Amino acid sequence: KAGVTQTPRYLIKTRGQQVTLSCSPISGHRSVSWYQQTPGQGLQFLFEYFSETQRNKGNFPGRFSGRQFSNSRSEMNVSTLELGDSALYLCASSLAGPPADTQYFGPGTRLTVL
Amino acid sequence: GNSVTQMEGPVTLSEEAFLTINCTYTATGYPSLFWYVQYPGEGLQLLLKATKADDKGSNKGFEATYRKETTSFHLEKGSVQVSDSAVYFCALSGGNTGKLIFGQGTTLQVKP
Repeated sequence: KAGVTQTPRYLIKTRGQQVTLSCSPISGHRSVSWYQQTPGQGLQFLFEYFSETQRNKGNFPGRFSGRQFSNSRSEMNVSTLELGDSALYLCASSLAGPPADTQYFGPGTRLTVL
Repeated sequence: GNSVTQMEGPVTLSEEAFLTINCTYTATGYPSLFWYVQYPGEGLQLLLKATKADDKGSNKGFEATYRKETTSFHLEKGSVQVSDSAVYFCALSGGNTGKLIFGQGTTLQVKP
């Protein structure tokens, strides 16, 4: 079974631009969660989608948004990029979703904001 | 709120040494507990998990036991290899927030 895939793997953007990241979950998984990883803040939860609905949201500004499609693929969008948005963005999928289900992570998208 | 605390790193060991990485948690209810590993330049890989008190998770020679009385989930391995060099994250999942809460990560370096 193929794992979680994320595209692109690397992105370089400038301040003020916007960016869209994509995540394809493991086949059959209906829940997709997004996390931001930075050296200073560690791993922080952004949001979780299940059956095209956002079920949970972390403490991030409204510039961070996402969506999920009927095939469970998910996209994350960051508008008006700031230098502090430079991070590794990780996507995770699970069968029916947290809290009890195991989440499986993709390789991440490394975003650099200049 | 829920939180996870891991021992500070980096941890440097010689090959075949015994490994312990401490993890304690604060949570309401009965969270599930996980250890994830991150190799350089990669995402997180699930190493092991435990879903209830006294459960022992194990994988690839690593073990951790869910201790509710001490709110701990320490990671152990009897004999580490150079290939075990990575960052290890302890995490919990519980309540209805739908998210994993991670510790700050512990870097393990194993020298030949």
